[in-house]
Amino acid sequence: EPEVTQTPSHQVTQMGQEVILRCVPISNHLYFYWYRQILGQKVEFLVSFYNNEISEKSEIFDDQFSVERPDGSNFTLKIRSTKLEDSAMYFCASAQGDANEQFFGPGTRLTVL
Amino acid sequence: AQSVSQHNHHVILSEAASLELGCNYSYGGTVNLFWYVQYPGQHLQLLLKYFSGDPLVKGIKGFEAEFIKSKFSFNLRKPSVQWSDTAEYFCAVNYPGYSSASKIIFGSGTRLSIRP
Repeated sequence: EPEVTQTPSHQVTQMGQEVILRCVPISNHLYFYWYRQILGQKVEFLVSFYNNEISEKSEIFDDQFSVERPDGSNFTLKIRSTKLEDSAMYFCASAQGDANEQFFGPGTRLTVL
Repeated sequence: AQSVSQHNHHVILSEAASLELGCNYSYGGTVNLFWYVQYPGQHLQLLLKYFSGDPLVKGIKGFEAEFIKSKFSFNLRKPSVQWSDTAEYFCAVNYPGYSSASKIIFGSGTRLSIRP
């Protein structure tokens, strides 16, 4: 069964460094999402992406964040200058259509020191 | 504002007890509803979903949920829980058509602890 994959599974970085989190969505999906979950808290929406552009973003998704679909298969989340409070589990999701189920990847645990 | 409320922060039950976790969502338009489970140290797994049709939805591992539109509710139930059901449970809602790629809004989660 096709699934969403994410790499790396765990990323440790120093505050102020740039990180890129990678996702490979399910191949025939057209809608892509990033969510995050700070330890012990609920899952929060970051950004949605469709037709090669951002569809919606939350207030968390400030100028330090960007997304890209560089080659038609990967979907990346870049944090330009990480802060301690960016430490969280980051989940990628993809869907075939807007009204369809979103399939979640296993997540990347980001630890900012 | 679009939101999801889960009434119970932490539920403790004995094995074989019946379970009901409450969930209410805001806004009365077209909704898709979900329950996700997160076992300790693991990622989100979809338990069940409601998109349309029969409001009583059956999911994996013996879970079911009932969509009651008049109450904006989507409560999760299981007649007899097992120790392996110990996990965090998230209710979630999606409003298709709200934007070109509608986000999922998650509730704050209910931690379920089962005593063996």
